[in-house]
Amino acid sequence: DGGITQSPKYLFRKEGQNVTLSCEQNLNHDAMYWYRQDPGQGLRLIYYSQIVNDFQKGDIAEGYSVSREKKESFPLTVTSAQKNPTAFYLCASKGRDGGSYEQYFGPGTRLTVT
Amino acid sequence: AQKITQTQPGMFVQEKEAVTLDCTYDTSDPSYGLFWYKQPSSGEMIFLIYQGSYDQQNATEGRYSLNFQKARKSANLVISASQLGDSAMYFCAMREGLSSGSARQLTFGSGTQLTVLP
Repeated sequence: DGGITQSPKYLFRKEGQNVTLSCEQNLNHDAMYWYRQDPGQGLRLIYYSQIVNDFQKGDIAEGYSVSREKKESFPLTVTSAQKNPTAFYLCASKGRDGGSYEQYFGPGTRLTVT
Repeated sequence: AQKITQTQPGMFVQEKEAVTLDCTYDTSDPSYGLFWYKQPSSGEMIFLIYQGSYDQQNATEGRYSLNFQKARKSANLVISASQLGDSAMYFCAMREGLSSGSARQLTFGSGTQLTVLP
């Protein structure tokens, strides 16, 4: 089945450690996105990528880094510089406009940093 | 200024009744799209319905319909015949610049927690 996978579902890290969240899609979508969600709030964009080897900062990129070496994969690294990393992280992808405009989301990774 | 405003943090509805979830938006772009997503307690975001700014008719998808009032800049979600499985967080979102063809982000509201009562 086509879709977006994120692993792991739950992740625990000690403060000061970098951690990488995985996002893989087999929908053949060009664009991919990373969002952060805090309890009781909406989603905020961290980074997005329109095409392989290209990515743009979103509204809250500080303390995060990404790479897009393959069309299918868009990993997010939460660095030690991110002051409040504990959150729910959602990855999404979107096909080319003209078909549908909606973004498809993965199941999310819940990161807890202590 | 908030681009997407959802003024109802929580809503209750009786099973089998209809419910309206409010959403107002702010944009000066003539080409935009409005989306509603459902987020159950498990966390995944489920796409429900889409309305383009140039669409003449209100969008409908099964029990979901979008009451689009362009002059008022509102895009309320109507769920008919509520079911217990409809209990979830609902988010309104907007994407501006549809005509540019770029991978513009979605801007989300803060959400409405809907609880369907048996």
